[in-house]
Amino acid sequence: GQNIDQPTEMTATEGAIVQINCTYQTSGFNGLFWYQQHAGEAPTFLSYNVLDGLEEKGRFSSFLSRSKGYSYLLLKELQMKDSASYLCASMDSNYQLIWGAGTKLIIKP
Amino acid sequence: IAGITQAPTSQILAAGRRMTLRCTQDMRHNAMYWYRQDLGLGLRLIHYSNTAGTTGKGEVPDGYSVSRANTDDFPLTLASAVPSQTSVYFCASSDSLAGGKDTQYFGPGTRLTVL
Repeated sequence: GQNIDQPTEMTATEGAIVQINCTYQTSGFNGLFWYQQHAGEAPTFLSYNVLDGLEEKGRFSSFLSRSKGYSYLLLKELQMKDSASYLCASMDSNYQLIWGAGTKLIIKP
Repeated sequence: IAGITQAPTSQILAAGRRMTLRCTQDMRHNAMYWYRQDLGLGLRLIHYSNTAGTTGKGEVPDGYSVSRANTDDFPLTLASAVPSQTSVYFCASSDSLAGGKDTQYFGPGTRLTVL
């Protein structure tokens, strides 16, 4: 079956760095997406990886290893506004997104 | 440019009633999607549409129907609502279904409670 695993909740300190891991198992693979979702709001796109390696975009970076079925989202210089859920999603062979349940990130001052 | 709009924002519905959730996008995207989001679960695809005039079933289609008469609108209908359909419903759209960076953009959601 298809499965996406990510931690349910993480806590980090303002100004620090946090890494949110995601492992995926899907029928085929057409890329790995990360979305941010603030409480009560819609998910918003953060990053997309289809090749192995690290993609950097400001304070956020995303890494992919296709051979390991593994990705992570790295958030640097954490700010209070980064408190949100982070959703990992793998695009399968039918170009449908298979979503993880999300990681709730709590930022403490 | 509004992007994607959904209506209503929230709704309380008696079981057995019929309900249509509306979704409109102004980005001229080909593909549109309906998801439901429940606590502790990932977003689950209900129905999708690759292009106007076509629709397909997702992971959890039972009890729901959709239509895609034009590019902009993609309504979701619950023919006879049941309490298990209590959820937050998100509509999304993307420029193309296949190939390349197929980023999905989400509407603000509809919070539906079925009693």
